[in-house]
Amino acid sequence: AQSVTQLDSQVPVFEEAPVELRCNYSSSVSVYLFWYVQYPNQGLQLLLKYLSGSTLVKGINGFEAEFNKSQTSFHLRKPSVHISDTAEYFCAVSVTGPSGYSTLTFGKGTMLLVSP
Amino acid sequence: SAVISQKPSRDICQRGTSLTIQCQVDSQVTMMFWYRQQPGQSLTLIATANQGSEATYESGFVIDKFPISRPNLTFSTLTVSNMSPEDSSIYLCSAPLGAGGTGELFFGEGSRLTVL
Repeated sequence: AQSVTQLDSQVPVFEEAPVELRCNYSSSVSVYLFWYVQYPNQGLQLLLKYLSGSTLVKGINGFEAEFNKSQTSFHLRKPSVHISDTAEYFCAVSVTGPSGYSTLTFGKGTMLLVSP
Repeated sequence: SAVISQKPSRDICQRGTSLTIQCQVDSQVTMMFWYRQQPGQSLTLIATANQGSEATYESGFVIDKFPISRPNLTFSTLTVSNMSPEDSSIYLCSAPLGAGGTGELFFGEGSRLTVL
């Protein structure tokens, strides 16, 4: 079964510093990978996704992620963070159920804390 | 982009009561998914709601506790029955509004329930 591991529960950084949020997945088949962001008291918003093609995918708000099949990783990066990037970030992998439909399995989340 | 709206957005409930959460999608979708996010935790899939058939529940979730309705292709409800403080969570409705078969999901804003 597919699973997702987010290695850091919390990442504190200073404003304008670069950041990397780590995500590893386990799957024996081809996967689709996603990063979602959850701002305080809000729902989940899609940040970016890897479906196929280029292993470097760019998302909203200046974020990007690189799919590394050999390392089964999908780390999220941003070269310079803002205070407004403070949020919970979830990595997710697509899972196909016995009925053939696809849904998402989420990691435990990483809280990005940006301070001045 | 498509919109998923939920109500109530938040509620405070008494132990032993039940609450129904409504989810409206502004386009027709075959599948709708209900997730639970317990305090400080990741998202866990409760069930899949397919129009015209019984919902499919994940391990650890049962219909008596979380009855789901799916009367048409744009609407679903989740009821949290006989609530206890352990049911205090954010309940999120989601649907695959993107390219079919990838697992990409769009989420509502969530319904934050506090059970006293």
